[in-house]
Amino acid sequence: EDKVVQSPLSLVVHEGDTVTLNCSYEVTNFRSLLWYKQEKKAPTFLFMLTSSGIEKKSGRLSSILDKKELFSILNITATQTGDSAVYLCAAYQGAQKLVFGQGTRLTINP
Amino acid sequence: EADIYQTPRYLVIGTGKKITLECSQTMGHDKMYWYQQDPGMELHLIHYSYGVNSTEKGDLSSESTVSRIRTEHFPLTLESARPSHTSQYLCASSEPRQGGNSPLHFGNGTRLTVT
Repeated sequence: EDKVVQSPLSLVVHEGDTVTLNCSYEVTNFRSLLWYKQEKKAPTFLFMLTSSGIEKKSGRLSSILDKKELFSILNITATQTGDSAVYLCAAYQGAQKLVFGQGTRLTINP
Repeated sequence: EADIYQTPRYLVIGTGKKITLECSQTMGHDKMYWYQQDPGMELHLIHYSYGVNSTEKGDLSSESTVSRIRTEHFPLTLESARPSHTSQYLCASSEPRQGGNSPLHFGNGTRLTVT
């Protein structure tokens, strides 16, 4: 059965800390891995990773994929209270089906 | 960025009622999806469409139905709502990408409560 597992499920840190969120996947015909940020409403797209070992970066956020070990990490440096959200990882099985993990609830305390 | 709209945002309805959740997108995306998400849980695919007159069931068994008569419109219907249908319903669309995947763009969701 295809699955995406995220850890930790919940994380509380202080503003300014650096966090690493983990995502492992077992998906047949794996194509790519995506990260989303979900606050109160719609998940918003962060990164899509297709190639192993190539870091994608956007401001304080970065992510990398390891296709040999079947995992990805999302790093957030110098965290701010606005980074508080649920971070979702999802893996494409083939061309059409996106399998989501349960999410990591990140809380940044001032 | 894709513009995708869902209505209503919140709906409280009694058991046995028929409801339709609306989803429209203005980007001309061929692919559209409906996901169900319970609080603190992962998104589960319930229906998807590759284009007009194309609809498929997802992984999660659902008593809902969908239609795709126009590219921009992908409504989801529950013929007889039950308390077990209480959940958040997220609509998404994605643009075609030759030989590869593309990210899904989500609407703001409809939070449904069936009493």
